[in-house]
Amino acid sequence: DVKVTQSSRYLVKRTGEKVFLECVQDMDHENMFWYRQDPGLGLRLIYFSYDVKMKEKGDIPEGYSVSREKKERFSLILESASTNQTSMYLCASRVDKYTSPSNEQFFGPGTRLTVL
Amino acid sequence: QQPVQSPQAVILREGEDAVINCSSSKALYSVHWYRQKHGEAPVFLMILLKGGEQKGHEKISASFNEKKQQSSLYLTASQLSYSGTYFCGTLLSGTYKYIFGTGTRLKVLA
Repeated sequence: DVKVTQSSRYLVKRTGEKVFLECVQDMDHENMFWYRQDPGLGLRLIYFSYDVKMKEKGDIPEGYSVSREKKERFSLILESASTNQTSMYLCASRVDKYTSPSNEQFFGPGTRLTVL
Repeated sequence: QQPVQSPQAVILREGEDAVINCSSSKALYSVHWYRQKHGEAPVFLMILLKGGEQKGHEKISASFNEKKQQSSLYLTASQLSYSGTYFCGTLLSGTYKYIFGTGTRLKVLA
């Protein structure tokens, strides 16, 4: 059974703190993604990675960075958390060596982050 | 760049039909549909790969018009279990970048 796990379901941080969100997949997928979900805005892509140590900016990368040192793990880092980063964060993975359009994404359960 | 879905929200009675649209400003080569129930992760429903192709999943079907860069999801004789938020998703051609639409909240009432 395929599985994507995220380190926390709920997280409360203070403004200015450095925040780490961890995501692990056990499917040997090449691609991994971080999205944030806000009402009325759908799922917006923050960063993605298509291989170990490879990363690309998504549509809203400002204020975030990522790390992928191992194939199964993809971390999202908020260098200095701000209140406008309060959101639901979803990690996803996808098998894809050749930019094939066929393969769907598998999601983790999400992390609800509140920045006070 | 994000595909736009319409309507944003819809409320139905059990047994009624609904259509959810996904429209992109960029060329679409495939469309995936997902459903997210409250408090859960999105789950894949179906994929459409060719223009004009239709697929079905129980009483949920979809169409894909490549020329119009649009896809539509059809929910027939809706059930309470259909409630949730529906997203279209797509891989931008020649890239690993996978993006989602703005989402449609669907609520089915008894």
